[in-house]
Amino acid sequence: DAKTTQPTSMDCAEGRAANLPCNHSTISGNEYVYWYRQIHSQGPQYIIHGLKNNETNEMASLIITEDRKSSTLILPHATLRDTAVYYCIVRVINNNAGNMLTFGGGTRLMVKP
Amino acid sequence: NAGVTQTPKFQVLKTGQSMTLQCAQDMNHEYMSWYRQDPGMGLRLIHYSVGAGITDQGEVPNGYNVSRSTTEDFPLRLLSAAPSQTSVYFCASSYWGINTEAFFGQGTRLTVV
Repeated sequence: DAKTTQPTSMDCAEGRAANLPCNHSTISGNEYVYWYRQIHSQGPQYIIHGLKNNETNEMASLIITEDRKSSTLILPHATLRDTAVYYCIVRVINNNAGNMLTFGGGTRLMVKP
Repeated sequence: NAGVTQTPKFQVLKTGQSMTLQCAQDMNHEYMSWYRQDPGMGLRLIHYSVGAGITDQGEVPNGYNVSRSTTEDFPLRLLSAAPSQTSVYFCASSYWGINTEAFFGQGTRLTVV
């Protein structure tokens, strides 16, 4: 799976949009971009994923650049409960290897009042 | 709907003791996996299973055994606990294939003294 690079930490004001970047310059054509978050040592929680088109769900939006070398997770109106570590994961669905997730260090997002 | 249930939540072991961490899911997911998370780090894959009777090693399998006799259960066995196995253990499950999200349990915090 392609390696990802994320900032170690970010701050965001409550009510503002939080934009979390991820660099995956070695991504292959059959690799998806997934985002998970982990709130204070709880189990990770799935947020969103995409291949090449922008995606939106009730939690967030995912913007993938045209060359797919980077992406941005957008939390449109961050709340204090969004304070967490956010993991950007690039993975290929490989029937021999299963649905493995390779976690890096993630970005620690602190939402402040 | 309970999702992924891990037991126990906390455990203290003495060096050399053995124990089994339990993981059960009620979503009829084919794929189950075990991760460990050391302080300040991302999750690392220990073992995974793509269905009943099928298991394979992940990134850090040494010192751990698994089995998958049913779709619902995926226990993780520590054969002879060592202080280096002090960690938080997460179990996850998902459907097989593309466009699937993983569901994580709440974790088991293990301390080996």
